[in-house]
Amino acid sequence: GQNIDQPTEMTATEGAIVQINCTYQTSGFNGLFWYQQHAGEAPTFLSYNVLDGLEEKGRFSSFLSRSKGYSYLLLKELQMKDSASYLCAAHQAGTALIFGKGTTLSVSS
Amino acid sequence: DSGVTQTPKHLITATGQRVTLRCSPRSGDLSVYWYQQSLDQGLQFLIHYYNGEERAKGNILERFSAQQFPDLHSELNLSSLELGDSALYFCASSIREGTYEQYFGPGTRLTVT
Repeated sequence: GQNIDQPTEMTATEGAIVQINCTYQTSGFNGLFWYQQHAGEAPTFLSYNVLDGLEEKGRFSSFLSRSKGYSYLLLKELQMKDSASYLCAAHQAGTALIFGKGTTLSVSS
Repeated sequence: DSGVTQTPKHLITATGQRVTLRCSPRSGDLSVYWYQQSLDQGLQFLIHYYNGEERAKGNILERFSAQQFPDLHSELNLSSLELGDSALYFCASSIREGTYEQYFGPGTRLTVT
């Protein structure tokens, strides 16, 4: 079977750091994606992890542990514009992406 | 702007009807993916085409079908529409067959009344 779990909602304040966790169970796992989606808009690509470890890209970092079926997205120096839904997606061999239901992040001043 | 275009932006139709959603991938991208996003289900993979050939199927109903044409644009056909088909339908494209970075179009919001 396949399953992607992430928290439904998170809140944080401007300037803070927030970590959004994602656990997955999927056969034929090939990699883990994170997407950002503002309400009513298309998802936009944030990161892709294939190997274990941390990938850093500006204020955003993503971590993967294949043995634990675990990933997280780390957002630093939060800004109001970071308020959005963050989607974790596992790439399953032979298919496209299996998405979690998303974590809605609310950033307040 | 991702470079992926989808038409129409909004579509309102009645139960039992049939509609066609259109997607043009980014220039040079050979893979097209269709996704359905509803409030309770999140983003669900429907189908993947690569250079005109079907490559993978997800949770696509038999009432739904798709194709990718020689110019690489794709159409998603939804028939015998039900209220539960109301959702945002996204098309995404990528340059290669394997799932690398996918670029999503703006989506078509379908409302079935």
